[in-house]
Amino acid sequence: DTGVSQDPRHKITKRGQNVTFRCDPISEHNRLYWYRQTLGQGPEFLTYFQNEAQLEKSRLLSDRFSAERPKGSFSTLEIQRTEQGDSAMYLCASTRGGAKNIQYFGAGTRLSVL
Amino acid sequence: GESVGLHLPTLSVQEGDNSIINCAYSNSASDYFIWYKQESGKGPQFIIDIRSNMDKRQGQRVTVLLNKTVKHLSLQIAATQPGDSAVYFCADVLSGGGADGLTFGKGTHLIIQP
Repeated sequence: DTGVSQDPRHKITKRGQNVTFRCDPISEHNRLYWYRQTLGQGPEFLTYFQNEAQLEKSRLLSDRFSAERPKGSFSTLEIQRTEQGDSAMYLCASTRGGAKNIQYFGAGTRLSVL
Repeated sequence: GESVGLHLPTLSVQEGDNSIINCAYSNSASDYFIWYKQESGKGPQFIIDIRSNMDKRQGQRVTVLLNKTVKHLSLQIAATQPGDSAVYFCADVLSGGGADGLTFGKGTHLIIQP
């Protein structure tokens, strides 16, 4: 399967714990995006990378959220000191080229904070 | 606020009929639009896209129409099948601030009646 891969698919954690999600984009896709989706809503854009550079992070929900893409391939999204309100689906997407190109999504990581 | 939105939260159609899902957008500078299909527990799946220099684009059993005058687009699905049951989102490229993430509406849940 050469699509966008996300790991884990499900994560259950206790409030206050840190969690990290991984995304492997489609090979040779230089842009990688993170979104959050809550129940009944469309995905909400969080941040994106062009190669290893994080070009937009102002839409990350708080300073507890951070993302990296150290080698321009896979990316990680970390949430520190999780809160119950962080419970959601976290989606990753990738594309080749600029903004006006198709973004291909992974299956997401569903986070449940108890 | 959101720059795109959908008119109806739920659309129920008979199997074999045509489906039309509508979407309005507010930002006249939006010039690229994508329709996604999302099945339960999965990430959004690309259906079709359209750029603002086009009024219509056709794919396999799907057609997207763009009316820039009234800032409206629609997704038409011909001969709806049970596998078409899903939530459908329209999205555009987030404008302003240099961010290149997609802006999604809340979605329309398409239900296929046998």
